[in-house]
Amino acid sequence: DGGITQSPKYLFRKEGQNVTLSCEQNLNHDAMYWYRQDPGQGLRLIYYSQIVNDFQKGDIAEGYSVSREKKESFPLTVTSAQKNPTAFYLCASSRVGVSQPQHFGDGTRLSIL
Amino acid sequence: GENVEQHPSTLSVQEGDSAVIKCTYSDSASNYFPWYKQELGKRPQLIIDIRSNVGEKKDQRIAVTLNKTAKHFSLHITETQPEDSAVYFCAANNAGGSYIPTFGRGTSLIVHP
Repeated sequence: DGGITQSPKYLFRKEGQNVTLSCEQNLNHDAMYWYRQDPGQGLRLIYYSQIVNDFQKGDIAEGYSVSREKKESFPLTVTSAQKNPTAFYLCASSRVGVSQPQHFGDGTRLSIL
Repeated sequence: GENVEQHPSTLSVQEGDSAVIKCTYSDSASNYFPWYKQELGKRPQLIIDIRSNVGEKKDQRIAVTLNKTAKHFSLHITETQPEDSAVYFCAANNAGGSYIPTFGRGTSLIVHP
């Protein structure tokens, strides 16, 4: 069954701690994305990658980091520099090019302890 | 960069009524406009999309219209049902850049039985 898998579903972060959210896809998509979703804010782009070993900052990259060592995987690290990390995080993937819709994972809800 | 405005933020209708959600975009180079539906606690899913060489597209009870001159596009849902209750996001993809979509802030549609 093809799709995107995010884990964990819920995550708690302590002060000063870095946490990593996992995102894996088996759709053979070149592009992967991380979004942050807050109530009333829509989907805000954190980072995206269109090819292995390359990624670009989105609109709200400060306090986050990513890696793209494999086509299937695009983990997101929320660092201690992100002072307001409580949010719902969505990973997505797509083919690269015009008219390509995004396929989303089920999301990870991150909260502060 | 692209800017997408979506209205209204909340829409409440009676079962059987029609619902219309409107989006405007700023970049005339955008040429792909998908709509996503996100049910409570679930992932956003593509429900319909339109390309800039088409003025209208229908799929059963949903339709999307595009006015390139005015730079706005709308989602129309007819004969609404309680299961249509969800948050709907519009997006605009810029073919002249990196193909990264810009999302609207979302519309919470509530269909009362």
